[in-house]
Amino acid sequence: EAGVAQSPRYKIIEKRQSVAFWCNPISGHATLYWYQQILGQGPKLLIQFQNNGVVDDSQLPKDRFSAERLKGVDSTLKIQPAKLEDSAVYLCASSPSGRVTDTQYFGPGTRLTVL
Amino acid sequence: ILNVEQSPQSLHVQEGDSTNFTCSFPSSNFYALHWYRWETAKSPEALFVMTLNGDEKKKGRISATLNTKEGYSYLYIKGSQPEDSATYLCAREGSNYQLIWGAGTKLIIKP
Repeated sequence: EAGVAQSPRYKIIEKRQSVAFWCNPISGHATLYWYQQILGQGPKLLIQFQNNGVVDDSQLPKDRFSAERLKGVDSTLKIQPAKLEDSAVYLCASSPSGRVTDTQYFGPGTRLTVL
Repeated sequence: ILNVEQSPQSLHVQEGDSTNFTCSFPSSNFYALHWYRWETAKSPEALFVMTLNGDEKKKGRISATLNTKEGYSYLYIKGSQPEDSATYLCAREGSNYQLIWGAGTKLIIKP
């Protein structure tokens, strides 16, 4: 079974530039998560999709971050414009149904550096 | 605000020794606790999901216990090997049933 795919793996941009990340979850998984992991901290949930609807985006900085999950399959996360404090690893995960006891399956992450 | 704390922040262990570390969390309205292992340059990998007070889970040389009344979980590694070097993360569900993650314990095994 193919795992969660993410691209790119690394990205370096200047502040105020835009960047987009892509995630393809495990086939058949209804729930997709985007996390931000800043060095020295635990992952922070940015947004959770159930199929193509948003379940939780309470911690997504909506003035600069946006995400979509068209057709309930793959997803993109965009930052526009980027700030220095956005430097982090962005992790995508998927789970079968979104229950809190579900295992979440993670991609390898995208390491973003904002200069 | 629900806080999940992990200690120690990092740990150096000699190959062959056993070790353990702690995940602490608020005990009220508990539903589930997750343990994950995250090796450098790889994807975080699920180890255990625990829901019941007194639960013990085991996977090879790694085991975990759960005390929901006092709000802690221990992860044990028996006979550490170099491939155990990783960051170990725990997460508890928050008020809106999303996972709240600790900052992790970074384990380094010295040959």
